[in-house]
Amino acid sequence: RKEVEQDPGPFNVPEGATVAFNCTYSNSASQSFFWYRQDCRKEPKLLMSVYSSGNEDGRFTAQLNRASQYISLLIRDSKLSDSATYLCVVTTSGTYKYIFGTGTRLKVLA
Amino acid sequence: DTGVSQNPRHKITKRGQNVTFRCDPISEHNRLYWYRQTLGQGPEFLTYFQNEAQLEKSRLLSDRFSAERPKGSFSTLEIQRTEQGDSAMYLCASSLGSGYNEQFFGPGTRLTVL
Repeated sequence: RKEVEQDPGPFNVPEGATVAFNCTYSNSASQSFFWYRQDCRKEPKLLMSVYSSGNEDGRFTAQLNRASQYISLLIRDSKLSDSATYLCVVTTSGTYKYIFGTGTRLKVLA
Repeated sequence: DTGVSQNPRHKITKRGQNVTFRCDPISEHNRLYWYRQTLGQGPEFLTYFQNEAQLEKSRLLSDRFSAERPKGSFSTLEIQRTEQGDSAMYLCASSLGSGYNEQFFGPGTRLTVL
């Protein structure tokens, strides 16, 4: 079993739709959680950190469920420019390395 | 541009050759990381440095791979006797040295082994 699992998609949604991605992690000692966005053939860039209380940044909302060991990303009012791969990232105590999921590919259609 | 830089951006080599990549982190960042990414997968951790000390290496980092950060600034990743399976994007990232800070990624070096 992979340490961090994501549905690879693709998720094809129309503009304006709301879409949600989940990511599960296997290590209960996981410490920090992030969502990164990666455009085709580009480097990953931080979209948002995920806090225990949940957090929102404009159209994006991230939540953490430690009991069930998953994090989620909700995108409201999808834009064409949201088309990208969304990478779930987890760190564990004792190391600062990132553990990535495979990424979920999103295509927003006109 | 004050972000993470990597050179070269692309490298095509023949099987069995040695290659070396360079990463220049953001200047005040004292942690530096190397990852490898293949098509359709998320990046996989290879190794990381705190200043000049190499603190962790993945099992993915076979003895053909070596990384250095001699003065705690730029880093090099060398692959000896390249194999076709080494073809991938090699990503470098850096972060501040306290806590679980955001890692900033460079544009990557795309390696193709023929």
